[in-house]
Amino acid sequence: QSVLTQPPSVSGAPGQRVTISCTGSSSNIGASYDVHWYQQLPGTAPKLLIYGNNNRPSGVPDRFSGSKSGTSASLAITGLQAEDEADYYCQSYDRSLSGYVFGTGTKVTAL
Amino acid sequence: QVQLQESGPGLVKPSETLSLTCTVSGGSITSYYWSWIRQPPGKGLEYIGYIYYSGSTNYNPSLKSRVTISVDTSKNHFSLILSSVTAADTAIYYCASHGNWNELFSWGQGTLVTVSS
Repeated sequence: QSVLTQPPSVSGAPGQRVTISCTGSSSNIGASYDVHWYQQLPGTAPKLLIYGNNNRPSGVPDRFSGSKSGTSASLAITGLQAEDEADYYCQSYDRSLSGYVFGTGTKVTAL
Repeated sequence: QVQLQESGPGLVKPSETLSLTCTVSGGSITSYYWSWIRQPPGKGLEYIGYIYYSGSTNYNPSLKSRVTISVDTSKNHFSLILSSVTAADTAIYYCASHGNWNELFSWGQGTLVTVSS
């Protein structure tokens, strides 16, 4: 049972903006620990998408952006494309568990 | 960019021990923290634990009693041992490397381990 909660699914038409929330608590995101996001295309390993709350690794399109406020974080995809259909996971550190934790995961569908 | 490759048996019998190795190439294992993550079929990601080259470790509390992660700097690889496995341990096991923000910036392709008699 994950301590970071994400919506099971989000969808949008190509070109639209979609957001994925990652809700934590005062022992993880709210304790100022960084949030990272991963994209997992079908049948492949997860890939780093956003690190340190809002930084994109080289090669990640700028239509992906991250933010954090209070005990929650969000991933936004601006200009949704068919190739963005994947599962997305947030990750942070939890001081109560003294370890890293993943979110429950969100499946993104381009309608 | 560092590359990682998991290796080990794809089938383990219930109550026995799962053993996997992650070989690191393109970089030194003394440079980062190294993690194991697993994903049961059709489910989400679960953190197993991580190790530093010095040998210091951190384990998921829910697995701590059964998990050991070790590192061999001479072979540039690190390993996972999970004891007393059950069907619930059937999963794709990934190894990954940590970056400066403790993000997992490089992942292995993953290896499916099935627990079955």
